[in-house]
Amino acid sequence: EIVLTQSPGTLSLSPGERATLSCRASQSVSSSYLAWYQQKPGQAPRLLIYGASSRATGIPDRFSGSGSGTDFTLTISRLEPEDFAVYYCQQYGSSLFGQGTRLENK
Amino acid sequence: QVQLVQSGAAVKRPGSSVKVSCKASGGTFSSYFINWVRQAPGQGLEWMGGIIPSFGIANYAQKFQGRVTITTDESTSTAYMELSSLRSEDTAVYYCAREDGHKAAFDIWGQGTMVTVSS
Repeated sequence: EIVLTQSPGTLSLSPGERATLSCRASQSVSSSYLAWYQQKPGQAPRLLIYGASSRATGIPDRFSGSGSGTDFTLTISRLEPEDFAVYYCQQYGSSLFGQGTRLENK
Repeated sequence: QVQLVQSGAAVKRPGSSVKVSCKASGGTFSSYFINWVRQAPGQGLEWMGGIIPSFGIANYAQKFQGRVTITTDESTSTAYMELSSLRSEDTAVYYCAREDGHKAAFDIWGQGTMVTVSS
């Protein structure tokens, strides 16, 4: 079974800064099958990125995804106040999620 | 635009069962896989299983095999998740989510249903 490990567990940054979130798989994952979600308190998760690098409908272009094999990255180029949330990666075939990265306002 | 609307919060006794519904509106229901994902308080997301309504065949995460049953009613565009033998550790928010096979991701989510298991 594939295990997805996200790092860091918590990331403290300020608005305007760049955020880099990592998702590492225990074995190689097709980049077509790696997605990222954003979840704010009290809300359902929202799809941000699918196929490792494609933005979902309505997602601002400050969000980008990259990576292949076992290492994937979600980058937020310039943080906006509404971007502080928890982010999860997911491997589609197994539907498993990483444990999440909490992005907090420093 | 498809929306998934879930049933309301529930409080259940240990050992009982709960059945959560997820009604789709505004689009095609039968041809998309519907998944169930739960989130315990302060914890991450855990996939439980899913079903494609047009085939009525469900698959389940090993952890929940034998305790969870996912079904659909195509006539009402509704999916159901029933979890039995409830224990306190099942206290969580339960989400349904539509799976878009082309995107290989869960693109539309219900609002979540809080299930509390308490004596």
